[in-house]
Amino acid sequence: KNQVEQSPQSLIILEGKNCTLQCNYTVSPFSNLRWYKQDTGRGPVSLTIMTFSENTKSNGRYTATLDADTKQSSLHITASQLSDSASYICVVRVSGGGADGLTFGKGTHLIIQP
Amino acid sequence: NAGVTQTPKFQVLKTGQSMTLQCAQDMNHNSMYWYRQDPGMGLRLIYYSASEGTTDKGEVPNGYNVSRLNKREFSLRLESAAPSQTSVYFCASTYPLGGGPRYNEQFFGPGTRLTVL
Repeated sequence: KNQVEQSPQSLIILEGKNCTLQCNYTVSPFSNLRWYKQDTGRGPVSLTIMTFSENTKSNGRYTATLDADTKQSSLHITASQLSDSASYICVVRVSGGGADGLTFGKGTHLIIQP
Repeated sequence: NAGVTQTPKFQVLKTGQSMTLQCAQDMNHNSMYWYRQDPGMGLRLIYYSASEGTTDKGEVPNGYNVSRLNKREFSLRLESAAPSQTSVYFCASTYPLGGGPRYNEQFFGPGTRLTVL
């Protein structure tokens, strides 16, 4: 069964510090992996999307890495800001899976404290 | 360009009542989706419509029906609401499959928070 596991479940850090969120998946065959940010009371918004051949992609202070061999991804947040407080969701698409070929992780709840 | 819009934002129902959640997108996307999000769980697919005129069941379709009214609109209906359907419902749409620079990125609406008493 295709699964996406995220860790930690929740994380509290001080403003200005860096942090790294983890995503491990068993989805096969792999097509692409996305990280979403979901603010409280809002819908998820895409941060990065990576295919098999991409091992690093940045979006401002967010840097995602992908190791397709070990089926692991990470999202690194640099110099955190209060506005980074949100849930971060890892989503993996299966190759050839059609319109429903997505597996969602449960998310990491990140709190940035001043 | 409003993106994906959902109505209503909040709703409280009694067990057995029916209602329809509305979703519309103005991005000319082919595929649309309904998800539910419960505490401690990932988003789960209820139904999806790969293109206008087609609908298919997702992971948790029981107790729901959908209608793809046209390319823009995709509605979700609860015929007889149950407390187990208390959840946050998200509609999403996707850049056309098989192409485009964003690898089938999904765009989500703001959600409908439904409570069934």
